[in-house]
Amino acid sequence: DSGVTQTPKHLITATGQRVTLRCSPRSGDLSVYWYQQSLDQGLQFLIHYYNGEERAKGNILERFSAQQFPDLHSELNLSSLELGDSALYFCASSVGLGGQRWSERSNEQFFGPGTRLTVL
Amino acid sequence: GQQVMQIPQYQHVQEGEDFTTYCNSSTTLSNIQWYKQRPGGHPVFLIQLVKSGEVKKQKRLTFQFGEAKKNSSLHITATQTTDVGTYFCAEESGGSYIPTFGRGTSLIVHP
Repeated sequence: DSGVTQTPKHLITATGQRVTLRCSPRSGDLSVYWYQQSLDQGLQFLIHYYNGEERAKGNILERFSAQQFPDLHSELNLSSLELGDSALYFCASSVGLGGQRWSERSNEQFFGPGTRLTVL
Repeated sequence: GQQVMQIPQYQHVQEGEDFTTYCNSSTTLSNIQWYKQRPGGHPVFLIQLVKSGEVKKQKRLTFQFGEAKKNSSLHITATQTTDVGTYFCAEESGGSYIPTFGRGTSLIVHP
């Protein structure tokens, strides 16, 4: 158990709908990262928040948005869903900002169990 | 971000055989991280390599970072069925921490 929780575990919805995925980081971790994992694209970084502020964006579609709340939990909102959005969505947390090179564990990210989204 | 190419995509081994997966980049990497994802599970951080030519060991796992910091490898000695999973390398890009993952190598261990 990584200490990162994600809800829901599974989500089945229809095209055009909107869903919200939730992530609670490990206690004390200020950074939350969102990833999308699909068979054909592998593990893709979506977005990174640190202490409530957006720090970096990856390959995140405009239909997707995220935020990190004062209690540090984060939500990923996916709207106008398409069949191709079906994937596993992971969040991960870490203590710091990332980009730390002072030790072999300094950029360690702890992944949650993921939310499997199926768009029909 | 940069792209790291990871090979092979799949590797079947008999239990007890060794296994190696490689990550290669056309540009110099700041650091490289390795993760393991068991079937149906989530990625689990294994290690980060930072220094040129670095070699780190974790029991039967040996991680190497190339002298030019353009490639890395993960070697498992005498594989066990518990080693089954997909091994990913990941590197960060630029000033903002944007992790870029390789496509992973899926290890299948036959008892």
